[in-house]
Amino acid sequence: GESVGLHLPTLSVQEGDNSIINCAYSNSASDYFIWYKQESGKGPQFIIDIRSNMDKRQGQRVTVLLNKTVKHLSLQIAATQPGDSAVYFCAPTRQADYKLSFGAGTTVTVRA
Amino acid sequence: NAGVMQNPRHLVRRRGQEARLRCSPMKGHSHVYWYRQLPEEGLKFMVYLQKENIIDESGMPKERFSAEFPKEGPSILRIQQVVRGDSAAYFCASSPPGTGKGEQFFGPGTRLTVL
Repeated sequence: GESVGLHLPTLSVQEGDNSIINCAYSNSASDYFIWYKQESGKGPQFIIDIRSNMDKRQGQRVTVLLNKTVKHLSLQIAATQPGDSAVYFCAPTRQADYKLSFGAGTTVTVRA
Repeated sequence: NAGVMQNPRHLVRRRGQEARLRCSPMKGHSHVYWYRQLPEEGLKFMVYLQKENIIDESGMPKERFSAEFPKEGPSILRIQQVVRGDSAAYFCASSPPGTGKGEQFFGPGTRLTVL
């Protein structure tokens, strides 16, 4: 299966600062990438996705960057808020597939 | 439009008992997926079902675990003769009909504790 890793298991961010969460993947066949947010006691919630024909995609306060050359993607959260405190997972997959593979996640803690 | 619903939210079983976890997909969704999450780990795919069909159960343990998605009613993940190692959070996700791919919407999970 897909091997997914995250560079930092935890990230502490001052409220109002920008957050950057990194994710590495190993399967060069992955062509669809999804970021999920999981708050304590809840199921994963879709944040944003990106397909391999793009290298950047922006949403509301979030930006995902994809570097297929080094098999790396990142999630940037602008003006981090207390409600952003959660575990963030990247899920590299293939558009022809339905299985999602999650890494261990990065726990983001927002300091007031 | 209600989201994916799972019940119970918490389930405690003693070793050797059976655990039944239920999942009602979002309205209009016909694809259901089950994932297991161990503490401090990401979700691991278990099984993918459509109505009355198991499409892919490659992530299911070979014994004691089974899943179904009947024509009527919720999807059921059944664990027989539970052991302590089955303690985990079990998440169900659903997606719209058509491809079974792309964005999956997750339920709140069932946290199983085996004593």
